[in-house]
Amino acid sequence: AQSVTQPDIHITVSEGASLELRCNYSYGATPYLFWYVQSPGQGLQLLLKYFSGDTLVQGIKGFEAEFKRSQSSFNLRKPSVHWSDAAEYFCAVTDSSYKLIFGSGTRLLVRP
Amino acid sequence: NAGVTQTPKFQVLKTGQSMTLQCAQDMNHNSMYWYRQDPGMGLRLIYYSASEGTTDKGEVPNGYNVSRLNKREFSLRLESAAPSQTSVYFCASSEVTHHFGNGTRLTVT
Repeated sequence: AQSVTQPDIHITVSEGASLELRCNYSYGATPYLFWYVQSPGQGLQLLLKYFSGDTLVQGIKGFEAEFKRSQSSFNLRKPSVHWSDAAEYFCAVTDSSYKLIFGSGTRLLVRP
Repeated sequence: NAGVTQTPKFQVLKTGQSMTLQCAQDMNHNSMYWYRQDPGMGLRLIYYSASEGTTDKGEVPNGYNVSRLNKREFSLRLESAAPSQTSVYFCASSEVTHHFGNGTRLTVT
């Protein structure tokens, strides 16, 4: 069965520091991978997605993610975090019928 | 362009009461979904509809029913609400990439 693991429940970084959020997936075929962000009390906003091609994908708000098939990973990165990036981040993979399977999320806290 | 619209935004029910959560999309997508979000568990699929006239169970369908009224609308019904159904409910539509509504926060007392 497909699954997504986000091993970090919480991460705290200082404003201006770099960020990497980890995501590992289990899926037999070539996956479609996504990162979503959710601010408190809000819906989910798509940050970026990977379908095929270049394994380094750029998203909105300065985020990027790299697909590594050998490690079954799709980690999210940002070179310099802003206070407004504090939110919860979800990694997800689609199955063959395009239903999303989510990780349990990583809550990002940003220190001033 | 509203995208995906969910109503209501908040609801409090007593155990045993029924209610319907409404969802409409204006992106002409074939597929629509209902997810629930609980702390520490991400989002879990309740039901989905791959096209107008079809519905299928997801990971956590017990206690829910759905209706794909037409291509635009996909409703979720709780026939007899239970405290375990206290959650935030999200509707989404997609061709491949999901577009989410802003959610319905439901409390069952």
